[in-house]
Amino acid sequence: KQEVTRIPAALSVPEGENLVLNCSFTDSAIYNLQWFRQDPGKGLTSLLLIQSSQREQTSGRLNASLDKSSGRSTLYIAASQPGDSATYLCAGLVTGGGNKLTFGTGTQLKVEL
Amino acid sequence: GAVVSQHPSWVICKSGTSVKIECRSLDFQATTMFWYRQFPKQSLMLMATSNEGSKATYEQGVEKDKFLINHASLTLSTLTVTSAHPEDSSFYICSAMAPWGFQETQYFGPGTRLLVL
Repeated sequence: KQEVTRIPAALSVPEGENLVLNCSFTDSAIYNLQWFRQDPGKGLTSLLLIQSSQREQTSGRLNASLDKSSGRSTLYIAASQPGDSATYLCAGLVTGGGNKLTFGTGTQLKVEL
Repeated sequence: GAVVSQHPSWVICKSGTSVKIECRSLDFQATTMFWYRQFPKQSLMLMATSNEGSKATYEQGVEKDKFLINHASLTLSTLTVTSAHPEDSSFYICSAMAPWGFQETQYFGPGTRLLVL
């Protein structure tokens, strides 16, 4: 059974810091891994999607990497801003899993002025 | 493009009543939609996969008679919580599978918060 976990559970940083969020998964038959952002009481916003054949994806200040051999994905946020405060979740889609996403439990990020 | 809406955004109901939540893909057709449930400070748990024109596939532990899913058209799936009880209070989120590309992308709705009194 695919399991996706996140490290750390909560993070509070001062504005401007570069930070790293980690996600680990147990199934190497992962088709892609996606990072989402969720604001309080809201739905999910897709940030980055990495195919299993890729090693990383970049969008603006965000960079996500995928290492299937170690079962880890990392989301790097450069020059964090208060507007980055949200919960970040990763989700893996397993090959042959019927297009089901398995979500990690999320990291609550607070960027303080 | 690829917008998914949910209605209502929040609902309060009395214990024992039924509540229907709609999930719509506004600018694309989705043969597959998914329903998730999220408890406070927890992640999303997949409840069921909704396929247009056929019965939904429920995840282990999800009562199909409790959570009725209907996917009658390519742009609408509904989740009905029957005889709701306080333990059904949660945040319900749907997603719709995009029909293009190879990335198997799901687009998520804004969620519906249900409070059962």
